[in-house]
Amino acid sequence: QVQLVESGGGVVQPGRSLRLSCAASGFTFSSYGMHWVRQAPGKGLEWVAVISYDGSKKYYGDSVKGRFTISRDNSANTLYLQMNSLRTEDTAVYYCAKDGTGGPFYFDYWGQGTLVTVSS
Amino acid sequence: DIQMTQSPSSLSASVGDRVTITCRASHSISNYLNWYQQKPGKAPKVLIHTAYSLQSGVPSRFSGSGSGTDFTLTISSLQPEDFATYYCQQSYSTPLTFGGGTKVEIK
Repeated sequence: QVQLVESGGGVVQPGRSLRLSCAASGFTFSSYGMHWVRQAPGKGLEWVAVISYDGSKKYYGDSVKGRFTISRDNSANTLYLQMNSLRTEDTAVYYCAKDGTGGPFYFDYWGQGTLVTVSS
Repeated sequence: DIQMTQSPSSLSASVGDRVTITCRASHSISNYLNWYQQKPGKAPKVLIHTAYSLQSGVPSRFSGSGSGTDFTLTISSLQPEDFATYYCQQSYSTPLTFGGGTKVEIK
């Protein structure tokens, strides 16, 4: 069965960096685009970034463009999110999600999420 | 960017009720509209993709309709496990965007 397990969250000061990881199993990781989606406490869902199956294409949400970098290692079945210049408004649960099999850019499997808290 | 507007933001309903949630896109998105259910403390779960395609394993009481800018999620007979928050999401273009959510509560 498909499993996505995020790690790397924690408390970090504004302006600092953090790298999240998402370990994937149960499907052919190298065949699917992968996403990061976040949810601030008590708020709705916000898409963060997507990377194509081979890593050649990357797209970002407006609020993280230029600060966050999505990447993947298909040999290790792992997705990453490098977050630089963190702001208090980046505080959220970060989910990795798999691109859907029935069409582009929807999310058919999600991880359990990892909490990032940006605070001084 | 494409803005997604859901209504209502919350509703109260009873078990067995028919429930309808609407989602409007600021620009035409063809049928690139997806619906998710989220329960407290859990990751979202896809219910419907590309406007009306039921995700495998999702009960048939859930259905989706619409195209262009106006879409609907219908629960034909609300069950106790359906009390949750529902989100629409457009997959037509990046940045991908979600509606603000509809919280379905017990009356």
